[in-house]
Amino acid sequence: DAKTTQPPSMDCAEGRAANLPCNHSTISGNEYVYWYRQIHSQGPQYIIHGLKNNETNEMASLIITEDRKSSTLILPHATLRDTAVYYCIGTHMFSGGYNKLIFGAGTRLAVHP
Amino acid sequence: GAVVSQHPSWVICKSGTSVKIECRSLDFQATTMFWYRQFPKQSLMLMATSNEGSKATYEQGVEKDKFLINHASLTLSTLTVTSAHPEDSSFYICSARDGRGDNEQFFGPGTRLTVL
Repeated sequence: DAKTTQPPSMDCAEGRAANLPCNHSTISGNEYVYWYRQIHSQGPQYIIHGLKNNETNEMASLIITEDRKSSTLILPHATLRDTAVYYCIGTHMFSGGYNKLIFGAGTRLAVHP
Repeated sequence: GAVVSQHPSWVICKSGTSVKIECRSLDFQATTMFWYRQFPKQSLMLMATSNEGSKATYEQGVEKDKFLINHASLTLSTLTVTSAHPEDSSFYICSARDGRGDNEQFFGPGTRLTVL
């Protein structure tokens, strides 16, 4: 699985866009980029994932560079409830049809009023 | 959305006893479930991958005789911490894969184990 690098912490003002970067320079061609977040003392929550193309859902947008060595998770209008640790994970599908998620240290995002 | 539950949400036990934690997928069938452990202020560490009807695959450094995993049905996996010691105190989290969708994993709320 690709090793990912994220800044340890970031701040964002409420209502502004939060842009969380992730470096995955060793990612291989068949490895997806997954984003999860974990609010204090809860289980991680799935946000979004992508392979090559940019992706958008009701929670966030994922922008993947053309060379796939980095990506950015965008929360378009951050709220206080978005304060959490955000994990960027590179993973590939095993022969059993599942992805094994190896969590790194993540980015601790603090959204302030 | 897919919901995964864990029981109990927290447990306190004496050193030397065994503790069983249940993980259930409530509205989907999970052929694969995963168990993680998280110490305070650290990231999640994958312990094992559990496929329904077969033996679990443990990550390097995880003692399979200490952390017994059973995945007897498509909606239930259990983790038993045998002969628990204070160093086993941690936050245990399971996840389940919904094979019908894009293979994303859905996580349970976690179980906080404290061993006295």
